[in-house]
Amino acid sequence: QSVLTQPPSASGTPGQRVTISCSGSSSNIGSNNVNWYQQLPGTAPKLLIYWNSYRPSGVPDRFSGSKSGTSASLAISGLQSEDEADYYCAAWDDTLDGRVVFGGGTKLTVL
Amino acid sequence: QAQLVESGGGVVQSGRSLRLSCAASGFTLSSYTIYWVRQAPGKGLEWVAVISYYGSKKYYADSVKGRFTISRDNSKSTLQMEMNSLRDEDTAVYYCTRESSWGAFDMWGQGTMVTVSS
Repeated sequence: QSVLTQPPSASGTPGQRVTISCSGSSSNIGSNNVNWYQQLPGTAPKLLIYWNSYRPSGVPDRFSGSKSGTSASLAISGLQSEDEADYYCAAWDDTLDGRVVFGGGTKLTVL
Repeated sequence: QAQLVESGGGVVQSGRSLRLSCAASGFTLSSYTIYWVRQAPGKGLEWVAVISYYGSKKYYADSVKGRFTISRDNSKSTLQMEMNSLRDEDTAVYYCTRESSWGAFDMWGQGTMVTVSS
C-alpha cells in the first residue's frame, strides 16, 4: 500500500489531454513539493516534473504539473504514442526521517 | 557524461548476503545525497535507504532496517549497500539515484536485479 494514491491506469488517444492524480496528506504533499517520474518499459525512471510544476531541460512542454492542498496532478497534452509509460508521483514526508514516499504508479496507455 | 552505474546484483538464497555497488562518473559525488530505490517485479517504486554527502547521516526503510547497510567512498566515487539476511520480498531491481538541489531525483542508474530464492 503506497503512501501516495494514484489511479492504477489511465488512457487516451493521440492528441488528447490526459491527467493523472496523486493524493497524499498534510505531512507529505501538503507541506512539500511534488515530483513526477516517467518510466518507459524496461528502463529506469526519469525525472519529468519537479517542484510541483517545473520541467527539467529536455522535457517537452506538453507535460505540466500542479498542486493544490494535499493533491497533485500531472497533465499530458497532445498525447503521443511514446508517452505510453508508467508515471509516479513522489514527495518527502515530514514524519519520516530522510524518506521519500512514492505513489503506486499509473500505467498510461495510448490507444 | 555524468552517470550512475549499479552492479552486484544476482541470484542469492534466502538468508544469505549480497553487496551492491553504485559507481558515479562525470560529476562530484560528494556534492550529492544518494538514495537507493527498489522496484519489485511488476510493482512500484520503494525507497530503501539514503546516505548524506559525507556519510554522516543514514536512514533506512523499516522493511530493511537492521539488515541493510549503506556506505560511500567519495574518493573513489562509489557507494555500497550491504544486504544481509535477504528475504524473498527483497527481490527487486535496485536503483541508485542522486538528489538534486531541487529536491528531486535527477539522475538514475540503470538498475541491478536482485533475486532471492528460497
